Amino acid sequence: DAKTTQPPSMDCAEGRAANLPCNHSTISGNEYVYWYRQIHSQGPQYIIHGLKNNETNEMASLIITEDRKSSTLILPHATLRDTAVYYCIAAAGSGAGSYQLTFGKGTKLSVIP
Amino acid sequence: GAGVSQSPSNKVTEKGKDVELRCDPISGHTALYWYRQSLGQGLEFLIYFQGNSAPDKSGLPSDRFSAERTGGSVSTLTIQRTQQEDSAVYLCASRTGLQIRETQYFGPGTRLLVL
Repeated sequence: DAKTTQPPSMDCAEGRAANLPCNHSTISGNEYVYWYRQIHSQGPQYIIHGLKNNETNEMASLIITEDRKSSTLILPHATLRDTAVYYCIAAAGSGAGSYQLTFGKGTKLSVIP
Repeated sequence: GAGVSQSPSNKVTEKGKDVELRCDPISGHTALYWYRQSLGQGLEFLIYFQGNSAPDKSGLPSDRFSAERTGGSVSTLTIQRTQQEDSAVYLCASRTGLQIRETQYFGPGTRLLVL
């Protein structure tokens, strides 16, 4: 899996958009970008994933640059419950394998009232 | 149940003792993972089960660690002769196993403290 780099921490005001960046400059063609988050004392929770195109679901939007070397997770209206550690992962999405996830240290997002 | 469950939620043990951690995956999920997360660290893959195939044990840190999955459902992770460095949160995850790119659903974890 390609290495990803994220800032260790970020703050966001409640109600504002939270934009979490991730660099994955060595990502290969068959690797997807996944985002998970982990709220304190809970197991990781899937948020969104994408390959090339921007993606949106009920939780967030994922913007992937055209060269795929970086991406941004957007939480459009952050709430206090979005305070968590956010993990960006680049992992293969095809071929045989167990598709285990390898999380780095992620970005600790603190949503401020 | 609706989600992945794990037991116990917390376990304190003495160095040298054996421990067993249990995972109940989501019903019908054929793929099951064990990970561990040390304090302030990322997720570390331990072992993967998929249906009746031989498990992928490539992440087990030593031969003190083993896991079983009986009947394709419940899994037990066993740590023998525990050491203080085994202290971590042990997370179990499952997915249906039917598609390549799928969400993994995580349980709440077992917090293991080895004194």
